[in-house]
Formats: sequence, structure tokens, C-alpha cells
Amino acid sequence: GQQLNQSPQSMFIQEGEDVSMNCTSSSIFNTWLWYKQDPGEGPVLLIALYKAGELTSNGRLTAQFGITRKDSFLNISASIPSDVGIYFCAGQQTSGSRLTFGEGTQLTVNP
Amino acid sequence: DAGVTQSPTHLIKTRGQQVTLRCSPKSGHDTVSWYQQALGQGPQFIFQYYEEEERQRGNFPDRFSGHQFPNYSSELNVNALLLGDSALYLCASSVRPAGETQYFGPGTRLLVL
Repeated sequence: GQQLNQSPQSMFIQEGEDVSMNCTSSSIFNTWLWYKQDPGEGPVLLIALYKAGELTSNGRLTAQFGITRKDSFLNISASIPSDVGIYFCAGQQTSGSRLTFGEGTQLTVNP
Repeated sequence: DAGVTQSPTHLIKTRGQQVTLRCSPKSGHDTVSWYQQALGQGPQFIFQYYEEEERQRGNFPDRFSGHQFPNYSSELNVNALLLGDSALYLCASSVRPAGETQYFGPGTRLLVL
């Protein structure tokens, strides 16, 4: 099935560093979402973006909805060990419709 | 406020068997979506139920079927299991038609031997 192109696939960083990851698509999405998934658990919603160009923050996390509606970015500032996990972007074309997910970015934070 | 719950947490089946997975949505939610997540990949949409009817379906064979009950809970049934059906099955709930985003349960880990 269709998936979003998410990069990088994995990141190894030191505690305190900033992190950036992005997601691109050949299709337009009207909602972009970022989830975090810990091993053996379901994805947990971090940030939801509903408008092209929108920049939204949630604590140390900041995400942007690309102007073209075909991409989104997630930044994590001053990383801490509990940021470890897999981050997924997801796009939604119409309200209430299915989510299309990226392949995930595995983040490792070294203390 | 209870979130999305799923049962069982883990399940082992053999090829050819049938399995039923269950999901209770978050309080106040009326729509349930099911996703399959293979190891190392992002979730793939299976189908969505609203008002006890299948509203959208992803690229999955008819072996995958579902049901939604009047209390909004849902079941996912998979017949004639294949080895490739081994995955984490996720349930997500939301509210229609407001379009509020989907919240996921912890998933059911299915292993087909």
C-alpha cells in the first residue's frame, strides 16, 4: 500500500542535541500527524497539523505542515533519554478518513 | 477516562486457523479503524467502521472482515491465516464527522506458525 517517505530511517544522537526528521509524499494531505511508538505499544499522538504552513509546538516538539501540503517536519529540541522510540508521520486526505503512515524514524539518545 | 483498549494482548495461531481480535474505543468515540503493522514498518490501514458499517477499506483480501456493535466496540476477524498475517494489529478510535484525529490502542500481537 501507499506509504509516505520518511527520513532518516534512524538517528543516533547525544542527550541534549536537537533532532529533525521529515516526511514527504507525492499526494496532497489535508492533515499531518506525528506519532511516537514505544516497543510493544500502540502509537501515541504527539502533534496534529490541520492547515498548510501551520507551525505547532508541544513542549520540546515542533512540527510544521508544508506549504505544498505534501510534506511535514518534526523537530525535537534538547533531546533526553525518554525521547527514544520510533517516530511516525501520518497523512490524512479528508476529515475522518484513513491514515497513511511513513516507515518511521528510529531515534536513539545516548546519555 | 479510559483510552482505547484491545484484547487479547498476544495470540498464537497456526496456518489455516481463524482469529478474532477485539477493540473498545475511547469514551465518546464512535468510529473504529483497524491497522496492521508488520515488524519494522508503519501501520497499514485495513478498514474503518462507523454506525456499524464498513465505511472505508484498504488493500486487504476478503479474509479480513470486521464488525461494529451498537456500543461502538469492534471486532476484526481473519480467516485462513497465513504466515504473513503475523503482525501487530492496532485499533484506533475517533469521532465522525468532526474529523478529530485517531487515537490508538496498545495493539494485539498475532503470531502465525
